[in-house]
Amino acid sequence: AQSVTQLGSHVSVSEGALVLLRCNYSSSVPPYLFWYVQYPNQGLQLLLKYTSAATLVKGINGFEAEFKKSETSFHLTKPSAHMSDAAEYFCAVSKETSGSRLTFGEGTQLTVNP
Amino acid sequence: DADVTQTPRNRITKTGKRIMLECSQTKGHDRMYWYRQDPGLGLRLIYYSFDVKDINKGEISDGYSVSRQAQAKFSLSLESAIPNQTALYFCATSDFTGTGSDHEQFFGPGTRLTVL
Repeated sequence: AQSVTQLGSHVSVSEGALVLLRCNYSSSVPPYLFWYVQYPNQGLQLLLKYTSAATLVKGINGFEAEFKKSETSFHLTKPSAHMSDAAEYFCAVSKETSGSRLTFGEGTQLTVNP
Repeated sequence: DADVTQTPRNRITKTGKRIMLECSQTKGHDRMYWYRQDPGLGLRLIYYSFDVKDINKGEISDGYSVSRQAQAKFSLSLESAIPNQTALYFCATSDFTGTGSDHEQFFGPGTRLTVL
């Protein structure tokens, strides 16, 4: 079975600081990996995805993530946090044999302090 | 122009009542999903449907049922609501192209359900 672990349910950074949100997965076969963002009172919006092409994936709003097979990780980063980045972030995994079903991590709430 | 819509957006009901949450999409996708979100638990899959005649249970289907009335419509029912079904419910869709992009899902705005 596949699973996703997000380290840190709450992360707080200062405006302008590096954002690092951690995601580790377990999958018996090569996975597809996603980061979604949820702003208050909204649905989930795709930030970026890894679908077996380049291991460094660039997404919207300056976010990027690197797929590291040896570490089974897909951490999300942004060089400089903005107040508008405050939201909840979800890592999700799927695999070819799961028929496009996603398994989500528990979520990380990002707070950006002025 | 919302591609995936959910109605109602908010609902308060009482224990034992039957509730239906509706989802419609204009993306032309075959695949549709229902999730519930609880604080600290992320999103968990309730039911999913790959076409009108294909409906499958997810990891937490007990107490729920679904109906796929058309390609564009997928409804979730709680036959007899209980307080621990209080949650945020999301509908999602995905396309089928035979590539990795099939696994990308598009989400509706959510329905906040409170069962008293």
